[in-house]
Amino acid sequence: AQSVAQPEDQVNVAEGNPLTVKCTYSVSGNPYLFWYVQYPNRGLQFLLKYITGDNLVKGSYGFEAEFNKSQTSFHLKKPSALVSDSALYFCAVRDGAGGGNKLTFGTGTQLKVEL
Amino acid sequence: KAGVTQTPRYLIKTRGQQVTLSCSPISGHRSVSWYQQTPGQGLQFLFEYFSETQRNKGNFPGRFSGRQFSNSRSEMNVSTLELGDSALYLCASSGTRTSGPASTDTQYFGPGTRLTVL
Repeated sequence: AQSVAQPEDQVNVAEGNPLTVKCTYSVSGNPYLFWYVQYPNRGLQFLLKYITGDNLVKGSYGFEAEFNKSQTSFHLKKPSALVSDSALYFCAVRDGAGGGNKLTFGTGTQLKVEL
Repeated sequence: KAGVTQTPRYLIKTRGQQVTLSCSPISGHRSVSWYQQTPGQGLQFLFEYFSETQRNKGNFPGRFSGRQFSNSRSEMNVSTLELGDSALYLCASSGTRTSGPASTDTQYFGPGTRLTVL
């Protein structure tokens, strides 16, 4: 079985400050990890993914994430937050040992960036 | 390329009715997955279709079913609607892999269909 934990329901950060949204995962095989963002009344937008290779992954809109195998974490980061980054962020995992495209999502973290 | 499209965007039904939702994947994508999003349960996987075959299935009752057509378009059907079926139903499409281990392809999501059951 695969699972994802996002320990923070909400993260508040001031514009211009760095932000971190936390994610830990559990899978039996190799983890394929994803971050998505959801704006109100919209679907999910893909930000970035880790499949293999460098532990630091760069994605859309200046976001990046660091894969840490020993801590089974995949935290989302951005050096300087914008008010427009305020949205709901989801971490997801797929088991690389299995077939198909089934994603297991975390419960989501609401990011609020204030002026 | 055009993104994933879902129709209708909003739907209101009453208990006991059935509903069919439609999803058109990104051109060239052969895998279509469906997810249910609710405030209480979050995002949950329903099923995945690849080349007209169901490849994965989540833990939902048999009232939830789906299919995929030869052009990769997919529909999902919910019969005997219950109040708890009220949710945002999201469709996602990915890649062109024909077989092999878990796909490394990214899933791209449509805007969703908001279903309200009264």
